[in-house]
Amino acid sequence: GQQVMQIPQYQHVQEGEDFTTYCNSSTTLSNIQWYKQRPGGHPVFLIQLVKSGEVKKQKRLTFQFGEAKKNSSLHITATQTTDVGTYFCAGRQTGGFKTIFGAGTRLFVKA
Amino acid sequence: GAGVSQSPSNKVTEKGKDVELRCDPISGHTALYWYRQRLGQGLEFLIYFQGNSAPDKSGLPSDRFSAERTGGSVSTLTIQRTQQEDSAVYLCASSLYYEQYFGPGTRLTVT
Repeated sequence: GQQVMQIPQYQHVQEGEDFTTYCNSSTTLSNIQWYKQRPGGHPVFLIQLVKSGEVKKQKRLTFQFGEAKKNSSLHITATQTTDVGTYFCAGRQTGGFKTIFGAGTRLFVKA
Repeated sequence: GAGVSQSPSNKVTEKGKDVELRCDPISGHTALYWYRQRLGQGLEFLIYFQGNSAPDKSGLPSDRFSAERTGGSVSTLTIQRTQQEDSAVYLCASSLYYEQYFGPGTRLTVT
């Protein structure tokens, strides 16, 4: 079945450093979504990427979708303590509606 | 407007008992998902409802798990003969297009 792998599992950074999490699917995706879950909270939608090679930015966050639509990345520039949480990618397989979440990358930011 | 609500917020049950978890999606959302999240882990897909179509049950871990959605709105996840490994947070999400809106979850503890 479809698998979505996400690395790294954890990342500790000093405030101001950059952070990147990577997501890889075993199958071609129709789209990929990114969610953020704060400690003790529930996942909150950040963005969806649909097109091959698509790049989207939200302030300090940059999201990319690979040319083959099987991988994606989230890059945060100059992290802040408010960026703390777990970032999940979620892929939807072509032709279906089921969304498979990666295991998430937990970001720790030291002030 | 109101978001996704889930009840109860916490449930402690004895091993072997049955439990019912409830999800009230956002009004008008046609898609509804159930996920399981063990402590410090990612989201495990359980089941997906889309309109009047047959649900995608491919993520249910055993026949002790079942879910229904009445009238295209409220959904109930039932776990029969609970086991300790069922302890987790059960998250419900609803969606109209692609963005999933998550509820606060039900924390289930099986003693």
